Amino acid sequence: KAGVTQTPRYLIKTRGQQVTLSCSPISGHRSVSWYQQTPGQGLQFLFEYFSETQRNKGNFPGRFSGRQFSNSRSEMNVSTLELGDSALYLCASSWDRASDTQYFGPGTRLTVL
Amino acid sequence: KQEVTQIPAALSVPEGENLVLNCSFTDSAIYNLQWFRQDPGKGLTSLLLIQSSQREQTSGRLNASLDKSSGRSTLYIAASQPGDSATYLCAVRTGANSKLTFGKGITLSVRP
Repeated sequence: KAGVTQTPRYLIKTRGQQVTLSCSPISGHRSVSWYQQTPGQGLQFLFEYFSETQRNKGNFPGRFSGRQFSNSRSEMNVSTLELGDSALYLCASSWDRASDTQYFGPGTRLTVL
Repeated sequence: KQEVTQIPAALSVPEGENLVLNCSFTDSAIYNLQWFRQDPGKGLTSLLLIQSSQREQTSGRLNASLDKSSGRSTLYIAASQPGDSATYLCAVRTGANSKLTFGKGITLSVRP
């Protein structure tokens, strides 16, 4: 059974640009959560989607947005990139509720110059 | 607001030693607690999930305990090996559909 996949694995952008990250959950999983990981703040929750609906949201500015498609694949978008957005962005999927065991993808390393 | 603390931030032990990693949380009304492992530059691997009604979970050489009243969880690793070297993160959920709140992790190094 394939694990959670994230594309691309690495990205370099400049300030002011926008970026879209993609996450494909484990087959059959319907909940997808996104996290930002930085050395200073650690892992912080961005949002969770279930059946194409945002079910939970963290404390991030509106520049961070996401969506989920009918096949449970999810995308995350960051507009007007800032230097502080440089981070490892992790996606996790679970069967039904987000409270089930979460399975993480390898992450997308975003560098903003 | 739930806060999760893991101290110390780093730990180095010789191979073969039994060790305990600690995790503390401020709000004892948790739904479940999960321990993860993260290798450098990689995603997280789930190790153990403890529901609020459980006291402990075991998987191989790993045993995690939960004491909600004191706001603590411990991850016990028996007979540590160099392959156990990684960062170990504890994460707490306060409701069935609430977010996971993570500690900053403990970076473990097991010396051969």
